[in-house]
Amino acid sequence: DTGVSQDPRHKITKRGQNVTFRCDPISEHNRLYWYRQTLGQGPEFLTYFQNEAQLEKSRLLSDRFSAERPKGSFSTLEIQRTEQGDSAMYLCASSLDGGDTQYFGPGTRLTVL
Amino acid sequence: AQSVTQPDIHITVSEGASLELRCNYSYGATPYLFWYVQSPGQGLQLLLKYFSGDTLVQGIKGFEAEFKRSQSSFNLRKPSVHWSDAAEYFCAVGASKGNTDKLIFGTGTRLQVFP
Repeated sequence: DTGVSQDPRHKITKRGQNVTFRCDPISEHNRLYWYRQTLGQGPEFLTYFQNEAQLEKSRLLSDRFSAERPKGSFSTLEIQRTEQGDSAMYLCASSLDGGDTQYFGPGTRLTVL
Repeated sequence: AQSVTQPDIHITVSEGASLELRCNYSYGATPYLFWYVQSPGQGLQLLLKYFSGDTLVQGIKGFEAEFKRSQSSFNLRKPSVHWSDAAEYFCAVGASKGNTDKLIFGTGTRLQVFP
């Protein structure tokens, strides 16, 4: 078991560009979560999946954000028309089931210039 | 609504001294409670968790935490701090099993350790 992995670890982009991040959860974990962490703050929930179904989205997740988990394994988070306010660490976590411990990946740090 | 308060933004201790990081939560039912640690530029590592049962829970790296329902607290303790414990510590609360279990995090406490 190699843990949760995220790719890329760092992304620098210009305002207005689209970016996509990937998360590979721990194998056999049914639930996958996305969180966003800005400097000096704790992580904030964005969305989560039970297998391939997206069950909840935070109001933080504007129309420019979309997440998928097409086969119930890895997930992607896309941000369209990035803004400077999108600069943050994007964290992925997975758990075996609802209410179980969430294990976090190393995160993708996004910088929007 | 669920919330977590970590009153101490920054704590400085000497190596070998004892440590207590405070965490207060707001949740209507029995919460799931967690402490995570984050080193600079890294993801979060689980230190310990409380789901039910014994209110004193042991975690990794010599940490422990005590759930006090009457005080809505879940403070993290360590009897003797090591320089490698310098990091950011986050307390989090989760909803009961079977419900939406997104974690609500506090704003974190940055621990600095002096030799």
